[in-house]
Amino acid sequence: AQRVTQPEKLLSVFKGAPVELKCNYSYSGSPELFWYVQYSRQRLQLLLRHISRESIKGFTADLNKGETSFHLKKPFAQEEDSAMYYCALSGTSGGSNYKLTFGKGTLLTVNP
Amino acid sequence: DAGVIQSPRHEVTEMGQEVTLRCKPISGHNSLFWYRQTMMRGLELLIYFNNNVPIDDSGMPEDRFSAKMPNASFSTLKIQPSEPRDSAVYFCASRTNRGGYGYTFGSGTRLTVV
Repeated sequence: AQRVTQPEKLLSVFKGAPVELKCNYSYSGSPELFWYVQYSRQRLQLLLRHISRESIKGFTADLNKGETSFHLKKPFAQEEDSAMYYCALSGTSGGSNYKLTFGKGTLLTVNP
Repeated sequence: DAGVIQSPRHEVTEMGQEVTLRCKPISGHNSLFWYRQTMMRGLELLIYFNNNVPIDDSGMPEDRFSAKMPNASFSTLKIQPSEPRDSAVYFCASRTNRGGYGYTFGSGTRLTVV
């Protein structure tokens, strides 16, 4: 079974502070991990995928298979980073494994 | 590509009426997903199609909900009869079956049932 856990529903930091949004997963095979961001009343947008090892808007995320984690990090938070962040997991074989399983989301607020 | 296109953007209807939400996936994407988002429950997967065939509809709340995908470029989610507790934002998403890529979401339909 696929499961994604985001332990923090709310996270509040000050502008310029480092931020880390936690994500842990449960999957028996080799998963694909993603981070999505949803700004107020907008669509979910793909922020990062682990396979590309890229940095978007200053955010990075490293897949740690030993700890089954895929935490999202940014060294200096900006006010425009305030949004809902969802961690998601997909299997790597056909059929129903192609669906994404989402965590409950973490609402990040960056205060001035 | 215009992305995943959903219509209408907003729908207000009276309890008991039929509601039809529409989705056009990205051309070439094999899988299509319908999600419901509420403050209380977050994102819930309702149903998922692969190559136009429904694969997993275990998230459909009850028989009042039905979804179809008659061809690769169109899907509908129908609620009949609608109830106030169906009020939510309904998102459609599509993806390719090639690994390493996530979903692309539509802008959603904000449904209010009064």
